[in-house]
Amino acid sequence: EVQLVQSGAEVKKPGTTVIISCKVSGYSFTDHFLHWVQQAPGKGLEWMGVVDPEDGETKYTEKFQGRVIMTADTSADTAYMELRSLKSDDTAVYFCARSTGSEIDYWGQGTLVTVSS
Amino acid sequence: DIQMTQSPSSLSASVGDRVTITCRASQGITYYLAWFQQKPGRAPKSLIYAASSLQTGVPSHFSGSGSGTEFTLTINSLQPEDFATYYCQQYYSYPHTFGGGTRVEI
Repeated sequence: EVQLVQSGAEVKKPGTTVIISCKVSGYSFTDHFLHWVQQAPGKGLEWMGVVDPEDGETKYTEKFQGRVIMTADTSADTAYMELRSLKSDDTAVYFCARSTGSEIDYWGQGTLVTVSS
Repeated sequence: DIQMTQSPSSLSASVGDRVTITCRASQGITYYLAWFQQKPGRAPKSLIYAASSLQTGVPSHFSGSGSGTEFTLTINSLQPEDFATYYCQQYYSYPHTFGGGTRVEI
């Protein structure tokens, strides 16, 4: 059974950094890209970027370019999303999601990040 | 970036109704279009990929169609568990943009 299990909720102060993990199981980690999606409270889904676990190559959307780093640890079958210089409008649920080909098929359960002073 | 526009943003329907949601892309994306369902407080669920192919386990009363710039998600015989928000997403080119969502409510 394919599973993506994310780390728990975080409360962070403005200007700090959050790192969210996404541990996968049930398939070969390097065979599928992993995407990250942001959902602010009461808002829609926003694609942030993607990492290829096989070679670490990444693509980021311009909104987060320079503040986000997506990585993959093949020894732990885990992907990470690091978001720096947190602001109040980074308060959101963050999802990791696997793609087959290019389309997303499985999602993690989501991680709530609250940015507050 | 490719902009994805969904309509309507919300709709009211009853159990047993047929519902159609439209998604338009700002430029041609051939068939690289996916649909997702999301219920409050839950992660999205993948429904359709390649515009019309159902993900494994998705009930057959869901269907998708379209190509190029205009796509539709049809829910035949709406079930109580189908009341949710639906999103389209293009994966033709980066960034893989989502539509704004369509809330289907009673």
